[in-house]
Amino acid sequence: DVKVTQSSRYLVKRTGEKVFLECVQDMDHENMFWYRQDPGLGLRLIYFSYDVKMKEKGDIPEGYSVSREKKERFSLILESASTNQTSMYLCASSARLAHTEAFFGQGTRLTVV
Amino acid sequence: AQKVTQAQTEISVVEKEDVTLDCVYETRDTTYYLFWYKQPPSGELVFLIRRNSFDEQNEISGRYSWNFQKSTSSFNFTITASQVVDSAVYFCALLTNTDKLIFGTGTRLQVFP
Repeated sequence: DVKVTQSSRYLVKRTGEKVFLECVQDMDHENMFWYRQDPGLGLRLIYFSYDVKMKEKGDIPEGYSVSREKKERFSLILESASTNQTSMYLCASSARLAHTEAFFGQGTRLTVV
Repeated sequence: AQKVTQAQTEISVVEKEDVTLDCVYETRDTTYYLFWYKQPPSGELVFLIRRNSFDEQNEISGRYSWNFQKSTSSFNFTITASQVVDSAVYFCALLTNTDKLIFGTGTRLQVFP
């Protein structure tokens, strides 16, 4: 059974904290994605990685960074969390240039207080 | 610009009604792929269908059918004889030739008994 696993289902952090959201996939996929989901805004792409150490900005990268040191792991970093980063974060992976579907994790609901 | 528009924010129907979810996309790529995903209340996105830009044949899978029309840049999704279990948020997505997966804002479907 293919899997994308996000380290936490729920997180509560304080304003100004550095926050790490971790995502691991077991399908040997080259592509990994981080999205945030907000009511009425759908899924917005934050960052995309197509290989180890490679990354591309998505539509809303401000306030975020990413790390991809190993193929199976893609981390989203909030350098200094703010309340407007309270959201649902979704990680996904897909095979490079195969044009097949992406597989999603269960999501992390982050609340910044 | 690459964009997916789902103009219907929310649709409510009574069980056994047919319902169509609209999706309009924008891309300059000549080769692209379109997807529909379902997000039930549990939160995890479930892949429903993929269609490439060269295949305009409509597809039917049980109560689900998809109508792809390049002339109008649309990829609409119809559920026939809807059921309560169809209640979910449905997302249309566009895969670009650089492997970025871009989502629409989603349509929330509520099916009442």
